[in-house]
Amino acid sequence: GAGVSQSPSNKVTEKGKDVELRCDPISGHTALYWYRQSLGQGLEFLIYFQGNSAPDKSGLPSDRFSAERTGGSVSTLTIQRTQQEDSAVYLCASSLDRMNTGELFFGEGSRLTVL
Amino acid sequence: AQSVTQLGSHVSVSEGALVLLRCNYSSSVPPYLFWYVQYPNQGLQLLLKYTTGATLVKGINGFEAEFKKSETSFHLTKPSAHMSDAAEYFCAVSDILTGGGNKLTFGTGTQLKVEL
Repeated sequence: GAGVSQSPSNKVTEKGKDVELRCDPISGHTALYWYRQSLGQGLEFLIYFQGNSAPDKSGLPSDRFSAERTGGSVSTLTIQRTQQEDSAVYLCASSLDRMNTGELFFGEGSRLTVL
Repeated sequence: AQSVTQLGSHVSVSEGALVLLRCNYSSSVPPYLFWYVQYPNQGLQLLLKYTTGATLVKGINGFEAEFKKSETSFHLTKPSAHMSDAAEYFCAVSDILTGGGNKLTFGTGTQLKVEL
């Protein structure tokens, strides 16, 4: 497809379980971002990948969160031992230019509910 | 660190009335500023951006915003609201990331309601 694709669109899990969220960016976009959107808290930056460079992980809220990007394309965000406060919409975005004076293209998000 | 404040989490206007969504930012360097819109059950899309040059920027769907450095503001306006403008609007400021990317720091969003 032409846009950023995320899966699953909805995920319900039990507290303590691990979850994986997938992002397929727009072909050719070298930059990939993960954000978290919580009710009433806006969007929170989590992690950034640019090409083959080391990712910027400065936004990850705890060591239960990790992400990887294989082959400079698809990315997976993993949350281990999920907690109820992890419930949110996880948004992936990709961008063409390194300095991002352009725009981020967002996927529709993965809604995570931790029971 | 950069920050963004959006005044009013909910704004309601009548169809045909002026839309004004407020955004103030804090930045230690000349900022890049953005407005994104999120329609129900959709991802965010760019409405407009300011990087350099002209301080009045025009975006899609008749929206525009003016960068006012002295007021550290980047308010979003549209002369005449349409029902299809009902959505959530996010103001964002950029910050340079390790590796050269731009982290966008978003405001908490303003839900725009348009009434007949």
